Amino acid sequence: GENVEQHPSTLSVQEGDSAVIKCTYSDSASNYFPWYKQELGKRPQLIIDIRSNVGEKKDQRIAVTLNKTAKHFSLHITETQPEDSAVYFCAANSYTGGFKTIFGAGTRLFVKA
Amino acid sequence: NAGVMQNPRHLVRRRGQEARLRCSPMKGHSHVYWYRQLPEEGLKFMVYLQKENIIDESGMPKERFSAEFPKEGPSILRIQQVVRGDSAAYFCASSPGGPQGTEAFFGQGTRLTVV
Repeated sequence: GENVEQHPSTLSVQEGDSAVIKCTYSDSASNYFPWYKQELGKRPQLIIDIRSNVGEKKDQRIAVTLNKTAKHFSLHITETQPEDSAVYFCAANSYTGGFKTIFGAGTRLFVKA
Repeated sequence: NAGVMQNPRHLVRRRGQEARLRCSPMKGHSHVYWYRQLPEEGLKFMVYLQKENIIDESGMPKERFSAEFPKEGPSILRIQQVVRGDSAAYFCASSPGGPQGTEAFFGQGTRLTVV
């Protein structure tokens, strides 16, 4: 069935450094790739998304890239800040009579001040 | 727009009891999804519903779990005869649907504790 793999599971960086999280997906029909941030005890919230007709998208310190051929997509956070510390989930949609969202296992990001 | 509303926020049940979790999607959204999140783990897809229809329940355990989204009222996730392993956060999300994927908006979640 559909699957989304995410790496690394834990990432620790120094404040100001960059963080990169990588994902792969299995459903070649997936056309929408959102990224969610979940702070402790809170709901997941969308931080950026990319569609399959676009290779890269940037929003301030956050960027996503997509390689459809390789079924890879990545999240890049530059100039990290302590408030970026959270769990980040990549996801891909999958058609099943309508679109559902399948999530990766998550990356716990620690930004050390 | 009040967003996706889930209730209760916290639910404690004894082993063998039933748990009912409710989700009201965002206004204008007709697609509802339920996810389970164990402590320190990811969001595991359970079921996808549209009004009066179950579209995909491939992530639902075969026994004790059921979901509905009636024509009127909230979506309900029902867990019968709860066991300790059912303790988790259950998140509901909604989207407007459409020909391409769109953002799924999450509710605050219901944290179920089975004692």
